[in-house]
Amino acid sequence: ETGVTQSPTHLIKTRGQQVTLRCSSQSGHNTVSWYQQALGQGPQFIFQYYREEENGRGNFPPRFSGLQFPNYSSELNVNALELDDSALYLCASSLTRGAGTDTQYFGPGTRLTVL
Amino acid sequence: GNSVTQMEGPVTLSEEAFLTINCTYTATGYPSLFWYVQYPGEGLQLLLKATKADDKGSNKGFEATYRKETTSFHLEKGSVQVSDSAVYFCALRSGGQNFVFGPGTRLSVLP
Repeated sequence: ETGVTQSPTHLIKTRGQQVTLRCSSQSGHNTVSWYQQALGQGPQFIFQYYREEENGRGNFPPRFSGLQFPNYSSELNVNALELDDSALYLCASSLTRGAGTDTQYFGPGTRLTVL
Repeated sequence: GNSVTQMEGPVTLSEEAFLTINCTYTATGYPSLFWYVQYPGEGLQLLLKATKADDKGSNKGFEATYRKETTSFHLEKGSVQVSDSAVYFCALRSGGQNFVFGPGTRLSVLP
């Protein structure tokens, strides 16, 4: 069973640029969630995808967008980067969408630095 | 809305000391409660969870009991090791909504 993988590991961009982060979910998992973890803080929910459709969104502007593919891998896209977007971006996969007891399995994250 | 509050760190202990990290929550309905651990440079790993009142989650010597009456889920370990040094996050999930995490508590264990 393969775990959640993310790429790239680190990324440096400048303000105003666009970035795409990628995530491969754990084998058999059909739900992917993305989180932003600023330095010294807990992860903040960005959005979730279930079977290629957005299924819930946190308090993030529309310039944060995503995709999920038929193989359940996912992308997070951020347009018009701002300095405050610098953070660790975490992807988590799970097996079910709505059950209150399922567990999310996290990838190692992508560290994005915006200069 | 749902929220999680954790004791502020950093917490510094000597090896073999007793650990408690406090966690309290506010949630509608009956949330599931989780502790995740984040080692330096890594993502989050599930440490333990509890899905209903009075359940005790346990793993690797860590324990936490779901206390509905005090809305708490405190993490404990009887004897910490240097390898337990990490950041610990308390989290909840309620009504099929997504995870809400606390701010994290950094633990440093000295030899």
